[in-house]
Order: sequence, then C-alpha cells, then structure tokens
Amino acid sequence: GNSVTQMEGPVTLSEEAFLTINCTYTATGYPSLFWYVQYPGEGLQLLLKATKADDKGSNKGFEATYRKETTSFHLEKGSVQVSDSAVYFCALGTLDTGRRALTFGSGTRLQVQP
Amino acid sequence: NAGVTQTPKFRVLKTGQSMTLLCAQDMNHEYMYWYRQDPGMGLRLIHYSVGEGTTAKGEVPDGYNVSRLKKQNFLLGLESAAPSQTSVYFCASSYLSDEQFFGPGTRLTVL
Repeated sequence: GNSVTQMEGPVTLSEEAFLTINCTYTATGYPSLFWYVQYPGEGLQLLLKATKADDKGSNKGFEATYRKETTSFHLEKGSVQVSDSAVYFCALGTLDTGRRALTFGSGTRLQVQP
Repeated sequence: NAGVTQTPKFRVLKTGQSMTLLCAQDMNHEYMYWYRQDPGMGLRLIHYSVGEGTTAKGEVPDGYNVSRLKKQNFLLGLESAAPSQTSVYFCASSYLSDEQFFGPGTRLTVL
C-alpha cells in the first residue's frame, strides 16, 4: 500500500535560517507528490506539487524535487520567516480506479523565532 | 467563490448522540472527501465520493455514514457518537487532478 514518512517535529529555527523537512514515500505506480501547509486554526492549503520524476515544485520560496531513485520529496526554503510557522504535510496521490484520495504523512510542525 | 465550506465549526456531543456535518463546494468538483485529523497521525480518509449519488469507504469508515445527494454537498453523519470520534474533521474536493481543496475544518468533542 501507499505510505508517507515525514521527519518528526517540532522543527525550531531562527528567522532567515535554512529549512529542510524530509519526506519519503512508498507507492505503487507513479504517484503525484504534494506539500500542504496548515496555519493555526485553518484548513490545509496546497503549497506545491510535482507530478513526475525530477519535477521541481516551487511556491513562496519553498521548493521540493520529486526523486524517484530515493523515493523522496524533501521540502526546502533558503530563508524562513516567522510567518512560515505552521504544520507541513507531505502527501501522495495515485490514480487508483475510481479514487483520487491522498495519503498524508503525520505532519511536521515548524516554529520560526524572531 | 467561497471554495469549500463546512458547518458547523465547533460542536460538543455527549456519547450516543447523533449529528451531521455539512460540506459544500462551489467549484463544480466531481470528487469529495471526508478526513479526520488526530494528533501525530496526519489526515485519514473516512469516506469519499466520485460523483453525485455515489459514496465509498476510505481508511477509517466505521461509525460514520455519508451521503452525496447533490453534487455540491457531501454530508458526514455520526449515528451514535463515541469519545474515539473526538477529532477535527476536514472536507475536501477535487476535479480531475489530484490537487484537493480543503475546508476550514470542524472541531468535534464527544464527552
């Protein structure tokens, strides 16, 4: 079956530090990969996605590259801000017959201090 | 566009009570989903629908029922609430791509 493993948090960084949140996956077929972000008290928002191997998704300074050889989709940002404090979820989606549901990792909480 | 909306935002139930959570989307999406979010466990799929009049079980369907009588609405029912159903419930919808759009969530406490 499909599964997603994320690094445990919380991750605490100072403003302008470099961020990496690791994500690895197991899937049948060729999944699409996503990073979602959840700000306090809100629902999940799509941050970025990649649909095939070697694709790089990017948004708001965040990047992640779909690495099929290492089954990874690590999230990176060169300089974090206090406003980036949130919970980040890695997810994968496969086109199982009749179903397009996502499999989520357990989430990684990021705390950025001024 | 309001996107995906959920009603209510908060609810407290006693064990054995019933309730219905309403999800509505105005994006004409075919697919709709109900997830629950519990600490340290990410989101888990409860039920989903691939079109009006259809529903199917997800990963954790026990104790829940759903209905999709109209394309824009997806209802989640708890017939006899249990403390184990204390959680935050998220509805989501999608069109043809895997990208899902989420509602703001319903925080349910069962005493």
